[in-house]
Amino acid sequence: DTGVSQDPRHKITKRGQNVTFRCDPISEHNRLYWYRQTLGQGPEFLTYFQNEAQLEKSRLLSDRFSAERPKGSFSTLEIQRTEQGDSAMYLCASSFRQANSYEQYFGPGTRLTVT
Amino acid sequence: GIQVEQSPPDLILQEGANSTLRCNFSDSVNNLQWFHQNPWGQLINLFYIPSGTKQNGRLSATTVATERYSLLYISSSQTTDSGVYFCAALQGGHSGNTPLVFGKGTRLSVIA
Repeated sequence: DTGVSQDPRHKITKRGQNVTFRCDPISEHNRLYWYRQTLGQGPEFLTYFQNEAQLEKSRLLSDRFSAERPKGSFSTLEIQRTEQGDSAMYLCASSFRQANSYEQYFGPGTRLTVT
Repeated sequence: GIQVEQSPPDLILQEGANSTLRCNFSDSVNNLQWFHQNPWGQLINLFYIPSGTKQNGRLSATTVATERYSLLYISSSQTTDSGVYFCAALQGGHSGNTPLVFGKGTRLSVIA
């Protein structure tokens, strides 16, 4: 059973460019979450999916951000017209409710640097 | 929404010492997790503990849900225990389709 995987692990881009990150959840997990973590802070919620439906978006998710989860499997997070303030670690997590367990499992993250 | 506070923010230990990390939360919880974030940023699951006590090797955790706090105990600390420890909670009364709310973490440094 493989864990949550994310690609790429690191991304350096110039301000104004678009970037796309991918997350592959644990195979039987139907819930998928995106979080963002800046230096010295805990992760903060961005958006989540149950199967292919995007059920909630944080106010942190400006209109430059979009996320998809086609067919309820992998998910992509796209940032358009990147800004220096977008530099952060982007974390993906997945979960599957079993016996009232809500435990979430995290991927290794994608570290974005906007120059 | 739920608020999560962790203490202390920073902790320096001599190798072999014991420590207790605390997490306070402002409301009832369906989910309470402890994570260790390694130097590469990966969040490692330590405990899923919305209530009760669990132990895993040198680590143990206790959550007293009625008093809205959780404790993480590290015994006989090792240099490999260094890193940031996060507590994260999911507010009670929800179906589970909501995100975790993280504290700001406790940065632990274990010195040989």
